[in-house]
Amino acid sequence: GAGVSQSPSNKVTEKGKDVELRCDPISGHTALYWYRQSLGQGLEFLIYFQGNSAPDKSGLPSDRFSAERTGGSVSTLTIQRTQQEDSAVYLCASSLGGGSKAYEQYFGPGTRLTVT
Amino acid sequence: KQEVTQIPAALSVPEGENLVLNCSFTDSAIYNLQWFRQDPGKGLTSLLLIQSSQREQTSGRLNASLDKSSGRSTLYIAASQPGDSATYLCAVLTGTASKLTFGTGTRLQVTL
Repeated sequence: GAGVSQSPSNKVTEKGKDVELRCDPISGHTALYWYRQSLGQGLEFLIYFQGNSAPDKSGLPSDRFSAERTGGSVSTLTIQRTQQEDSAVYLCASSLGGGSKAYEQYFGPGTRLTVT
Repeated sequence: KQEVTQIPAALSVPEGENLVLNCSFTDSAIYNLQWFRQDPGKGLTSLLLIQSSQREQTSGRLNASLDKSSGRSTLYIAASQPGDSATYLCAVLTGTASKLTFGTGTRLQVTL
């Protein structure tokens, strides 16, 4: 079946502009995660959605970052007033909400963001 | 705060060799541990998942072990092939947010 998809695959933006990154999780997965992979920081957690519960935003680096998940499916990560340090690969993952393999996370191909 | 370390950072082996990648974590209160593979410019591919109650998992030429009490996991790759060349990441699932904490990765090159 279809895996996690992300769009765009690449995004180049000017410093100060807003960007939106999209994630389509695997159908039926109730949990959705955003991670960021950058050269200096490795792979780090940003935000987690589980069903209708309030999201865990503990990994968001600043208030310029926000994310929403509409209808329990598609998610959008928004970065306002982008800075050069926001340049990274943004990875989305999803997982099932229950069962012995509930927490295996499946990753999308990522969006490479470059802020010039 | 959970910290995950992988050793070695890079490894180069000739084709056919067996090899072991190491992963250690500081907080043993994990739900599970996942090994991933990442090819250059690509996303992550899940290789093996070990639940906290398990000791090992096997898939083809890959075998992963988990010693939760000592905070260690190993990924054993048998009869390595050039196609195994990639970066291997281990990650542990901890906390109520079910977030993964990733290691720093081991960059593997298998030469002909």
